[in-house]
Amino acid sequence: AQKITQTQPGMFVQEKEAVTLDCTYDTSDQSYGLFWYKQPSSGEMIFLIYQGSYDEQNATEGRYSLNFQKARKSANLVISASQLGDSAMYFCAMREGPTGFQKLVFGTGTRLLVSP
Amino acid sequence: GAVVSQHPSRVICKSGTSVKIECRSLDFQATTMFWYRQFPKQSLMLMATSNEGSKATYEQGVEKDKFLINHASLTLSTLTVTSAHPEDSSFYICSANVRGRTDTQYFGPGTRLTVL
Repeated sequence: AQKITQTQPGMFVQEKEAVTLDCTYDTSDQSYGLFWYKQPSSGEMIFLIYQGSYDEQNATEGRYSLNFQKARKSANLVISASQLGDSAMYFCAMREGPTGFQKLVFGTGTRLLVSP
Repeated sequence: GAVVSQHPSRVICKSGTSVKIECRSLDFQATTMFWYRQFPKQSLMLMATSNEGSKATYEQGVEKDKFLINHASLTLSTLTVTSAHPEDSSFYICSANVRGRTDTQYFGPGTRLTVL
């Protein structure tokens, strides 16, 4: 079974609008972490935001926020005020197990295209 | 933020040769580094976990004799693709987490390997 599921292969949004990228996860661990990365065409993986399983507040980093719904096992990324430079692949990832163990499992990604 | 470098960024080699890829943490110590492989239009797949001073832990299905990993110091891990074949052509990317921190994992810029 997929541990991380990203159901949107592609998303389109107009500049300055908000967009939500979906991510659901599957784990039986109590302690885990959820990450979002951006991968532009150059290939580098850019860390965007992190949510720990015990964090009560939704994580925010500038224009990025993570809509964490633990009971539904979802960790959607919200990008507010989209910019042309946001066009890229976006990957959701999960770290399972004790916090000292950092192995990540990635979803299949969502390609976001921001239009003028 | 923490910086991870990879060298080379791109390499083209003949079938049967070996290729070494370096991953360095530039401004922090990384007791653990991770090696991923990404085929075109696909997600990142973890190949192995590299621990400083000990043997790497390989994921199921990854040939340890083909993908040699050495983590000689707290800032350097190397991946050697031995006797490379065209099917080994891929994007190889490493990552590291800052010691003591669990909320981020920093990625290198990746190495694109093409085997002719």
